[in-house]
Amino acid sequence: GAGVSQSPRYKVAKRGQDVALRCDPISGHVSLFWYQQALGQGPEFLTYFQNEAQLDKSGLPSDRFFAERPEGSVSTLKIQRTQQEDSAVYLCASSLGGQETQYFGPGTRLLVL
Amino acid sequence: GNSVTQMEGPVTLSEEAFLTINCTYTATGYPSLFWYVQYPGEGLQLLLKATKADDKGSNKGFEATYRKETTSFHLEKGSVQVSDSAVYFCAPKNMGRRALTFGSGTRLQVQP
Repeated sequence: GAGVSQSPRYKVAKRGQDVALRCDPISGHVSLFWYQQALGQGPEFLTYFQNEAQLDKSGLPSDRFFAERPEGSVSTLKIQRTQQEDSAVYLCASSLGGQETQYFGPGTRLLVL
Repeated sequence: GNSVTQMEGPVTLSEEAFLTINCTYTATGYPSLFWYVQYPGEGLQLLLKATKADDKGSNKGFEATYRKETTSFHLEKGSVQVSDSAVYFCAPKNMGRRALTFGSGTRLQVQP
């Protein structure tokens, strides 16, 4: 079956631009997670949704980061006024429930120049 | 919160060698424990998991045992293949918090 998909796969932005990253979770998965993976590091948690409710956004590094999942399916991570330190791979994962196994998408590699 | 310590890589082995990648963690309570693998150019994939003490997770010839007394979840494989070359991440997850906490990853390079 179809896995988690993310788009775009690669994004180059100039410093100060806004970007939007999309995640399509596995159909029927209630829970959706965003992680940020810096080069050579493990992924770090950003935020978590259960259906359309954002239950945990403790990992968002600043108020420039915003995530939404308005209909409980597709999610968008938006980064405003991008900075060079935002350069990373942004991973989306989904699971049937909050305690179930998380399945990851291929990620969006963001490069801020 | 949780934290994870993994052995630093890269780990370079010859084909058919024995593999151990150490992982120790700190966590509140009794977390579930996961190993994820990231092959070159691909996304993270679940390799194996264990949800309670003394459980052994296994998959594709890899094994890891949940050791509560030493808070460890070391990954082992008896005979590695070139196709096992990847980055391996250890990740505990508490019942009360849904997010995974990842280690920094260990790169494995298997030479023919």
